[in-house]
Amino acid sequence: NAGVTQTPKFQVLKTGQSMTLQCAQDMNHNSMYWYRQDPGMGLRLIYYSASEGTTDKGEVPNGYNVSRLNKREFSLRLESAAPSQTSVYFCASSAGVTGNTIYFGEGSWLTVV
Amino acid sequence: DQQVKQNSPSLSVQEGRISILNCDYTNSMFDYFLWYKKYPAEGPTFLISISSIKDKNEDGRFTVFLNKSAKHLSLHIVPSQPGDSAVYFCAATIWAQKLVFGQGTRLTINP
Repeated sequence: NAGVTQTPKFQVLKTGQSMTLQCAQDMNHNSMYWYRQDPGMGLRLIYYSASEGTTDKGEVPNGYNVSRLNKREFSLRLESAAPSQTSVYFCASSAGVTGNTIYFGEGSWLTVV
Repeated sequence: DQQVKQNSPSLSVQEGRISILNCDYTNSMFDYFLWYKKYPAEGPTFLISISSIKDKNEDGRFTVFLNKSAKHLSLHIVPSQPGDSAVYFCAATIWAQKLVFGQGTRLTINP
């Protein structure tokens, strides 16, 4: 059972570099999400996609772009990385129906130096 | 604007006793509430949930209580076990969209 798979697991970037975090789910879920976790801040929503072809901003979208490539895949791009984007990033998916749980990937540790 | 708040960053409980984790929210439109458990270096995993039309949901050792008038929910773990040591996040959602999390509470179960 793969569930939600995200890559890479670890990445170190220099300030100004770009990179894309990849996420795929095999549960045929409609909704997908990108969160970041920072100490004392909990999990904050960056972007979400309620269905294939749609994306919406969450609480902290600045500095990020997303693409819902198809129903399975939802990528997060940092165009010009900044030290403030050093964080743990979690991709998640859900059926998008009230009462359904959200399933998370294992996380991607990103350090921007 | 923190819509979901967990005001206790940490909690320490003796093994076998009750653990009570608290969560407050400000948005009365939330219609579903969830608790997630997170171990280090892993993604959060779903623990238990409650609909806004209920005031209690029980699953084994875990019970969630919802007090809508106070905009407060709590998670009770009885009896607490060493494997329960983790960070617990409460979360809330409107129409299954935009799950909003609290800051988390680190629970430590002492032998």
